[in-house]
This record gives sequence, structure tokens and C-alpha cells, in this order.
Amino acid sequence: ETGVTQTPRHLVMGMTNKKSLKCEQHLGHNAMYWYKQSAKKPLELMFVYSLEERVENNSVPSRFSPECPNSSHLFLHLHTLQPEDSALYLCASSQEEGALGLEAFFGQGTRLTVV
Amino acid sequence: ELKVEQNPLFLSMQEGKNYTIYCNYSTTSDRLYWYRQDPGKSLESLFVLLSNGAVKQEGRLMASLDTKARLSTLHITAAVHDLSATYFCAVGRADMRFGAGTRLTVKP
Repeated sequence: ETGVTQTPRHLVMGMTNKKSLKCEQHLGHNAMYWYKQSAKKPLELMFVYSLEERVENNSVPSRFSPECPNSSHLFLHLHTLQPEDSALYLCASSQEEGALGLEAFFGQGTRLTVV
Repeated sequence: ELKVEQNPLFLSMQEGKNYTIYCNYSTTSDRLYWYRQDPGKSLESLFVLLSNGAVKQEGRLMASLDTKARLSTLHITAAVHDLSATYFCAVGRADMRFGAGTRLTVKP
């Protein structure tokens, strides 16, 4: 299997549930990202991990908790979400090496619905 | 904060016509990307532009970058239906920011 794989592809959860989204990259990249894509807003960068350390957190509510146990895996832990958190959550990875302009590769996304 | 603006947001074209999508960004950046997204699908990388004056072409799509004007263009030549998709530009490195996207529809 190659590329960036996200599971599950679809998730419906209640506001009191706890769930996790998983992302795995098979590209040997050293940076991974979580993005949120909703109908009303442009793609929003949520979290960035570079060399397994979080380097950016764009004022994301604490009900979203990322985890990067190694350079190939990224999780997004969800708890007590709100209906407005319903969106497509995209994982991406890239190789950050100085001035090299290597693009990010995206997974297929997890379509999350909060009821 | 880096802001990225695309226009138009919606574009309906006839097959065979030419058109240009514009991407403006607010702060200096040494790289700019163009992505394509089909409905219900993920983002596919089209171009990476790294320097002022960079031009890249793939099929009917050509992208250019003017870092002094903080402007990139995606030019569509002789559009075909298969080009119907949403096109995003993105700027930055680990803090990559995306434009709102241009939803392109090519009609017969």
C-alpha cells in the first residue's frame, strides 16, 4: 500500500462520544498535517507535526487532540464534539528538507458527522 | 498572518475556451502549490512553483509565479470536460495556507 491512508472514511458520532481518526503515510515523509475542510470555509490547517514534534496548533479547540507516535502515523482524538465540527478531515504528509519545495500528499479524508 | 485569495470562486466555461485563475497571497513565500480536487475525493498535486518567473505546464494547464507581485496564475487552454474540478492554490511550508478554491465547470 502506498501514499497516505486515512481510516475510517466515514464516521458518525454523538456529541458525547470519543473517537479517533487515523492516518498512515507510506512515503517516508518527515512531516504530517491535519486539515479541516468544511462547506463554509477554506481548507483550515489544524496541526502540523515535523519530526514527530508538534510545530503548529492553529487555535484549535481542545476537543481535538492530535497524537504523532512516529513519523508514519498520525491520530486525531475527538471528544465532546459539536455539530459544527462536522466536516471532511484530511491528513497530509510532506518531506521538509531545507529549500526543497516538495508538495504535500493528501489522504482520502474522513467524512465526520456529529449528531 | 498569511492570507491566500483566489478568484474567481466559481467558473463555468465552454469546452475549447481559455481562462485564467488567479491566486494572490499576502506575505512573502518561497513556494506555491496548485492542487486539484474532484468531488468526494482528496487533493491531487498539480504544480509546485519555487522561484520568481517559474512556469510549469502539464497538458492543458499552465501555472506561473510572480513572487514580486505575490501572484500566481493557472491558465487553462482549450478546456475539456475532464478538467471540471475544484482548483486550490496553497502557499507556505509547514504552515501551508490554502485559497478558498475555484470550482470549475466545463460545459460541452
